[in-house]
Amino acid sequence: QKEVEQDPGPLSVPEGAIVSLNCTYSNSAFQYFMWYRQYSRKGPELLMYTYSSGNKEDGRFTAQVDKSSKYISLFIRDSQPSDSATYLCATSSNTGGFKTIFGAGTRLFVKA
Amino acid sequence: GAVVSQHPSRVICKSGTSVKIECRSLDFQATTMFWYRQFPKQSLMLMATSNEGSKATYEQGVEKDKFLINHASLTLSTLTVTSAHPEDSSFYICSALDRGTYEQYFGPGTRLTVT
Repeated sequence: QKEVEQDPGPLSVPEGAIVSLNCTYSNSAFQYFMWYRQYSRKGPELLMYTYSSGNKEDGRFTAQVDKSSKYISLFIRDSQPSDSATYLCATSSNTGGFKTIFGAGTRLFVKA
Repeated sequence: GAVVSQHPSRVICKSGTSVKIECRSLDFQATTMFWYRQFPKQSLMLMATSNEGSKATYEQGVEKDKFLINHASLTLSTLTVTSAHPEDSSFYICSALDRGTYEQYFGPGTRLTVT
């Protein structure tokens, strides 16, 4: 079992749709939870960063963490064609040295 | 968000030569930097963790003598691919850890092509 599971997609939605991206993780020691967006041939860009369970909102993006079920989500409202990219979830732990585990990434296509 | 730069963004070299890639954190001090490799349509593969002032920690299967990492200052880490071969052609990405927030920021990546 991978430490972070993420459906690679691809996920195709029409413009304006609400997008839901999800990951599960296995290690309860993970303390930090991130979502990155990566456009083709570019480095990942940090979108959302959370430390605890609950919701965090930034514009059209909402990150949700449920530590009890080890489930993390990213919601994108009013999706735009410019949101088309690969979205990577990641979790980090600082126990015994800092370590980040990435999901496989979900490829999202938003059709105009 | 914080800015991490990488140089060069793209490099083509001949087989057998060495290539150095620089990673800089521009607006924060990064005691820890990471080097990743990414193949097309695949996720990031951690190669090594670079700690300022100490030896890098390499992931299993990564040859430390082939991928030399130096983290000489709080804002600069370098990756040198020695005696490059075509199979080393890949997208190399660094990231820097902001120890104050534990946020990890990525550079724009370096595309290496070995001919």
